[in-house]
Parts: sequence; C-alpha cells; structure tokens
Amino acid sequence: EPEVTQTPSHQVTQMGQEVILRCVPISNHLYFYWYRQILGQKVEFLVSFYNNEISEKSEIFDDQFSVERPDGSNFTLKIRSTKLEDSAMYFCATQSTSGRGMGPYEQYFGPGTRLTVT
Amino acid sequence: GNSVTQMEGPVTLSEEAFLTINCTYTATGYPSLFWYVQYPGEGLQLLLKATKADDKGSNKGFEATYRKETTSFHLEKGSVQVSDSAVYFCALWEYGNKLVFGAGTILRVKS
Repeated sequence: EPEVTQTPSHQVTQMGQEVILRCVPISNHLYFYWYRQILGQKVEFLVSFYNNEISEKSEIFDDQFSVERPDGSNFTLKIRSTKLEDSAMYFCATQSTSGRGMGPYEQYFGPGTRLTVT
Repeated sequence: GNSVTQMEGPVTLSEEAFLTINCTYTATGYPSLFWYVQYPGEGLQLLLKATKADDKGSNKGFEATYRKETTSFHLEKGSVQVSDSAVYFCALWEYGNKLVFGAGTILRVKS
C-alpha cells in the first residue's frame, strides 16, 4: 500500500537555526498539507499546498515558515529561524483530490518528524 | 471557530473490555467527522468517518455515530485487543480542505 514518508524522524537543532523537514507524498496525490502537534496539545493545521502554491495557511504559519515542492516529488517545510516553541511533531499529509464539493477525501499522513529546538 | 474536544487519557483497559472514547465538536453547519488512529512509530491512519447526521462509521470492530443533537461522535468497540493500543484522534473536516483535530486519547490495553 502506498504511504507517505517523512525525513528525518527526529531533528534536534539550536534556536535560531534553519531546519528543513521533508516529505515524499503518495505519487498521484495533488494536495499536500503540514500539521503539527506540540507535546500534549492538539494536532494543528499549518498549511495546504496545491499546484505549486499555498492554498491556505493558519496563523501559526508566519514569515518564518515556507513550503515548496522543489523537484516535483519532495514536499518540504522550512523554518527559517527556529524558536523554542517550534518544538513539536510535524506531520505531512497528502490527498488525491479536492475536498470541496463532494468531499471530504481521505488525507494520508506520514509518521511525523519530531523537531526539538534547544 | 470550529473545535473538537475529546476525553483525556490515558485510557487503560484489560483485553476484551468495552471501549468508549468521547468526542464532541463545535462547528457551524454539519461537518464530516473522523476518527484517526496512530500506532507507535507510524502516521495517522483514518479509522472511520461519517459525513452526515445519524451516519454510523465502522471499521475493524470500531464504531461511531454522528449525533447532531448532542454534537458528538463517540468511538466504541465491544472488545478491545492489545493490538488496539494506540493514540486515537477525533477530527472534523472544515470546508477549505483541512482537518481540525482533538488532542488525542492514548489507549493502553493490557493482556
């Protein structure tokens, strides 16, 4: 069964450093998402991405965050200058079609990257 | 805005016990509702869903019924197994292509 993969599984970084989290979506999926979960808190939506541009982003997704699909396969989340409060589990999710209209359609999640900012 | 509240865990049960994990939601309109499960070291997997009031989602012995009058979507299973130990997330679909999750409930099943 096709699956979403994420690398690394765990990333430790110092405050102020840049990190890039990587996701390999399921091959025929067109919609991509990042969510995060701070320890003990809810899974929160960060951003959705379609057709090489951001479809929607949350208040959390400020100028320190960016997403791209640089080579048509990987989908990346970059945090430009990490803060302590960015420590969380980051989940990538992909979806084959739009959830508008007849939706919703299933989102397939990766195993997550645990980011620890020290 | 829309939100999901689920019971705090961890929930610890003996094998073959009955499971209920409560989930209530606040939303405008009638969103689709989901339960996702996360086994250790894995991603979130869709367990079941319901798209309208009174729908019952079911999978792998788990069930949940969309109750509009109580804005609830409680997860139940008649007889849990050790292999059901995982984190369970209730979620709603917000128009605009995103899921709104609850905090997750850890389930531990002892043999």
